Formats: sequence, structure tokens, C-alpha cells
Amino acid sequence: AAGVIQSPRHLIKEKRETATLKCYPIPRHDTVYWYQQGPGQDPQFLISFYEKMQSDKGSIPDRFSAQQFSDYHSELNMSSLELGDSALYFCASSLEGGGNTIYFGEGSWLTVV
Amino acid sequence: GENVEQHPSTLSVQEGDSAVIKCTYSDSASNYFPWYKQELGKGPQLIIDIRSNVGEKKDQRIAVTLNKTAKHFSLHITETQPEDSAVYFCAASIAMYSGGGADGLTFGKGTHLIIQP
Repeated sequence: AAGVIQSPRHLIKEKRETATLKCYPIPRHDTVYWYQQGPGQDPQFLISFYEKMQSDKGSIPDRFSAQQFSDYHSELNMSSLELGDSALYFCASSLEGGGNTIYFGEGSWLTVV
Repeated sequence: GENVEQHPSTLSVQEGDSAVIKCTYSDSASNYFPWYKQELGKGPQLIIDIRSNVGEKKDQRIAVTLNKTAKHFSLHITETQPEDSAVYFCAASIAMYSGGGADGLTFGKGTHLIIQP
């Protein structure tokens, strides 16, 4: 079965640079979530989109923005990167109205140097 | 907002024995409680979930119980095997059944399950 696809899988950026992560949800899923997971930590919810509109907002820094496109894929844009942004970023998707069963991708490793 | 507490942080059991991980949540409006297994460097994998209209759910060696009154839920793994070794996360959210929004999951801090051969 098709899963959530994230790209790139690994990314190295310097401080103050910008990074963009992409997420392709499971086919027919209309809801996308972004999570950030630091080493040894639990995933922290950043933001979600339902039908291309922002749905819920968590601990997303103002330097980050995201959107969901007409084909339901999503992009997370991170600007003015800081060392503390180094983490594993997960995208997840679900079919809204389906009771919130949420499936995660394999993640994008961001290292800020 | 929601707060989820998970215990223990580390659990070591002999292969073949049972493992139990417990979580409590704070928001009585939460109605969806998934459990995820995460292996090193990989994404969380859904292993079982339960909704607030059900008290118990079982899938082969894995079961989850929910006590809405006490606001706690537990994961039970029987006949543990070496491949069960991983970090397990509980989570809680408010699930929408008719569209209109998507709340993020609030995770517990995770339990590192170690299966001793």
C-alpha cells in the first residue's frame, strides 16, 4: 500500500539559511500534519491542513510556514535556520471524517550547521 | 491544551513475557488514542488505536484498554518477541468524524521497550 512520501530524506543547511520539506500524503487523504522530533524526544505537533486550509496550529515557530496545495501535497518552509532546528521532521496524513487514523512518513532529517 | 503522561520510560522484559505501558491524559474532550511503535531513524508506525466509545480493543498479541472516567489507557503486548524492541508512544487527540478540522496528536514521552532474549 502507498505510504506518506517525504523529501528530501536528509538535508544539511547552514545557520540563517532556508529549507523546504515536501510531503505527499497517502492517495485520497485530505489532511496533512507536520511534526518535529528532536533526538530522544517525542514528536511535537507543528501544524495541520484540511482541504488546503490550515486546521490546527501547534508549536510552530514564526520562522516556519507551511501550505497544502491543490493536489494535497504539502510543503514546510523554514527560514533563518537555527542550530536548534536540527531535528527529524515528520509529515503525516489522514482521511478526515475517518476518525483521525494518522499515518506517518519516514521523516526528513534536517541538520543545521 | 492536552497533556499526556506515559510510564515507564524504559521497560525491560524477558522474551515471551508480557509488557504493559500506561498513559494518562488531561483533556476530557480527547476521544482518539493511538499507539505508535518507532524504530531508530524511522517514522512512527501505528500499531493499534482506540476510540472513546470502546473500552478495549485487541489485535493478535496487542491490546489496548481505555478508562474514560480515570482518563487513562494502556498498551498490553503478550508473548513478546525480540522484534518488539522499539520506542512506543501513546497519543491523544480530538478526532473528527464528519470533517471540518484536524487536531494534532499530543504524544507521551515514549517508552523504550527492551526484550531480553
